[in-house]
Amino acid sequence: EPEVTQTPSHQVTQMGQEVILRCVPISNHLYFYWYRQILGQKVEFLVSFYNNEISEKSEIFDDQFSVERPDGSNFTLKIRSTKLEDSAMYFCASSVWAANYGYTFGSGTRLTVV
Amino acid sequence: GENVEQHPSTLSVQEGDSAVIKCTYSDSASNYFPWYKQELGKGPQLIIDIRSNVGEKKDQRIAVTLNKTAKHFSLHITETQPEDSAVYFCAASPEGVQKVTFGTGTKLQVIP
Repeated sequence: EPEVTQTPSHQVTQMGQEVILRCVPISNHLYFYWYRQILGQKVEFLVSFYNNEISEKSEIFDDQFSVERPDGSNFTLKIRSTKLEDSAMYFCASSVWAANYGYTFGSGTRLTVV
Repeated sequence: GENVEQHPSTLSVQEGDSAVIKCTYSDSASNYFPWYKQELGKGPQLIIDIRSNVGEKKDQRIAVTLNKTAKHFSLHITETQPEDSAVYFCAASPEGVQKVTFGTGTKLQVIP
């Protein structure tokens, strides 16, 4: 069964450093998403991406965050200057057509900011 | 924006019993209601979804019901098995909005 692949599985970074989280969505999917989950809390929407541009973003997704699809397969989330409160599990997801057709999530990247 | 409430936060059942998880939503424009199962260390996995044009949907031991008037929907798992133990999230999404809003999750424990 096709999978969404995320790397790395765990990243530890110093506060103020830049991090890039990487995702390879399912190849025939058109919509891509990033969500995050702070330990023990709900899954929160960050951003959706379609046709090489952001289609929706949440208030969490401020100027410190950016997304990119640098080639035909990768989808990245960059955090420019990490804060302690950015520590969370970050999930990439893709959808064949739109959000209301169901997501396939990756296994996540655990980001720890120290 | 949409707000999804989910109850209970934890649920323990004996193997073979049924489990019911309930959610309410706030945005009457929401028309898509997926349920996700998250096992430890993994991403959420879509297990079933329902759209607002139907009131009930079933897939083997799992069923979902939707009451649009009351803005609530429920997940029913029958004949529970230990492998059903996980965190379950409900979610809601309006047509044309490229995101889903998740509930707070229910940790289901099936006791053998």
